[in-house]
Amino acid sequence: EAGVTQFPSHSVIEKGQTVTLRCDPISGHDNLYWYRRVMGKEIKFLLHFVKESKQDESGMPNNRFLAERTGGTYSTLKVQPAELEDSGVYFCASTRTSGATDTQYFGPGTRLTVL
Amino acid sequence: GENVEQHPSTLSVQEGDSAVIKCTYSDSASNYFPWYKQELGKRPQLIIDIRSNVGEKKDQRIAVTLNKTAKHFSLHITETQPEDSAVYFCAAFRQGGTALIFGKGTTLSVSS
Repeated sequence: EAGVTQFPSHSVIEKGQTVTLRCDPISGHDNLYWYRRVMGKEIKFLLHFVKESKQDESGMPNNRFLAERTGGTYSTLKVQPAELEDSGVYFCASTRTSGATDTQYFGPGTRLTVL
Repeated sequence: GENVEQHPSTLSVQEGDSAVIKCTYSDSASNYFPWYKQELGKRPQLIIDIRSNVGEKKDQRIAVTLNKTAKHFSLHITETQPEDSAVYFCAAFRQGGTALIFGKGTTLSVSS
């Protein structure tokens, strides 16, 4: 089965610009998570979708971040306008169910650099 | 909320030695503890996990131990090999919660 894919792999933008990251979960996985790792720190939860609904967005840093999952398949994470502190690696993960024992499969991440 | 502390941040060992990475968590309601390995330029991948109803789990050269009373869990890698070099992340999942709470990661370097 194909794994979680993310696009782009790298993005370099200027402060104030807009960037949109995309995640395609494993087919059939209803649960989709976004995480972010700022250099040297922990992988931090951003939000969780169940199908097209936001189940938990408590980790979203501020209203410059907007996540969508129209149709319950792929998801996008838009940062507008980007700030320097938004730099980091953005990971997407998916699971078939939202049970605690279900393995979260990660994508390769998008490395975002804001200059 | 849950907080996961991971130590050490870096670990260098000689090939064939053992490596131990330790994590502590704060929320006693956490009941699932996975370990992820991230090789350079690749995605984090689950290597082993443990649930709160067991104290130890082993898979070939890797093992994880859990002490619920002390709220800490550890990853043990025996007979290390150069291909074990990677960043290792521990995580905790709280029953009824939504997402994994990760530690800051340990960079393991195995030299031959």
